[in-house]
Amino acid sequence: DQQVKQNSPSLSVQEGRISILNCDYTNSMFDYFLWYKKYPAEGPTFLISISSIKDKNEDGRFTVFLNKSAKHLSLHIVPSQPGDSAVYFCAASGGGTSYGKLTFGQGTILTVHP
Amino acid sequence: DSGVTQTPKHLITATGQRVTLRCSPRSGDLSVYWYQQSLDQGLQFLIQYYNGEERAKGNILERFSAQQFPDLHSELNLSSLELGDSALYFCASSVSPSKSTDTQYFGPGTRLTVL
Repeated sequence: DQQVKQNSPSLSVQEGRISILNCDYTNSMFDYFLWYKKYPAEGPTFLISISSIKDKNEDGRFTVFLNKSAKHLSLHIVPSQPGDSAVYFCAASGGGTSYGKLTFGQGTILTVHP
Repeated sequence: DSGVTQTPKHLITATGQRVTLRCSPRSGDLSVYWYQQSLDQGLQFLIQYYNGEERAKGNILERFSAQQFPDLHSELNLSSLELGDSALYFCASSVSPSKSTDTQYFGPGTRLTVL
């Protein structure tokens, strides 16, 4: 039972354009959502998060949007840079006694072409 | 650099053996989490400790155990190793698990290869 899904395994974008990475979840108890970026042979690096009481959070080039009714969140990167090429994971936490646990999506490989 | 350290970086061992993975959390963080990333399963939560006590358990096998010591470092013990245990093992830490809105910061991981 995959509670967090990233349906696009990969995304290719031109440098300077917008990258939009999507994530869907099924557990309505989740109340905190995070995006992590991961390079090969490294641990996930925290990018940005959003609480379920908000619908948007912005940090520099990164913006996360949350649509609770649709159980959908997205990460926008503007403008995209070649250094952004990595695997992006969406994660969620909250819900009962497992509030410390992060549930991850399968990841989306982002490639930004110069 | 997240401030979370993990040793060793790589570990190669044989089936049936036992290994110990070590994690030191960021300064000031009291909570430690262990995750497994395998090719077919993605990142899966194993177990969480807070200030020395177990707080939450995921799909952790009975052959696996963990503990958190008074200095807050944590160890993940994997025993009777099988080929399928080959994976990346990540440790993460956060300030407190008292609320879900607590960002976890990940270490660089330990790559375990079971031959």
